[in-house]
Amino acid sequence: KAGVTQTPRYLIKTRGQQVTLSCSPISGHRSVSWYQQTPGQGLQFLFEYFSETQRNKGNFPGRFSGRQFSNSRSEMNVSTLELGDSALYLCASSPMTSGSKNEQFFGPGTRLTVL
Amino acid sequence: DQQVKQNSPSLSVQEGRISILNCDYTNSMFDYFLWYKKYPAEGPTFLISISSIKDKNEDGRFTVFLNKSAKHLSLHIVPSQPGDSAVYFCAASGRGGGSNYKLTFGKGTLLTVNP
Repeated sequence: KAGVTQTPRYLIKTRGQQVTLSCSPISGHRSVSWYQQTPGQGLQFLFEYFSETQRNKGNFPGRFSGRQFSNSRSEMNVSTLELGDSALYLCASSPMTSGSKNEQFFGPGTRLTVL
Repeated sequence: DQQVKQNSPSLSVQEGRISILNCDYTNSMFDYFLWYKKYPAEGPTFLISISSIKDKNEDGRFTVFLNKSAKHLSLHIVPSQPGDSAVYFCAASGRGGGSNYKLTFGKGTLLTVNP
């Protein structure tokens, strides 16, 4: 099976712009999660989608949003970019449908740099 | 409020010896624990997991031990190999409140295995 793919791999934006990142999960996986990784804060949960519905959201401002399509592909959007949004954005997919067993498989990430 | 803690930012071990990476958690609702390995510029790779109904899980050179009363888990790598050099993340998921839909990560331990 192909792994989780994320596009683009690298992105440079300026403050105030908006950005859309894309994620294609492993075939058959219906849960898609997004995480932000920064040197100071580590890996922090952004949100999780299952069957086009957001089931959980982390402690991020409303500038961070996401969605999932009927084919399980997901996008996340960050509006009005700030310098502090520079990070590695990771997408993960999971076959999990219920319960807490939650093995997530990560893509390579999108490295966003905000200038 | 850091619910998953990896108190050692780094660990250096000789090739062939045992590597022990530690992780503590505070949330008693966590009932599933995972270890991930991450190389620079790549997404985390799932290594091994353990459910709270067990106290040990083994997969080849990797063994995870869980001590629920102490809210502590550890990852043992025996024997350690230079290719094991990476950042290791401990993660947890739990029951209820949407916590089963996300992973809470520690900040990672950089393992260096010296030839």
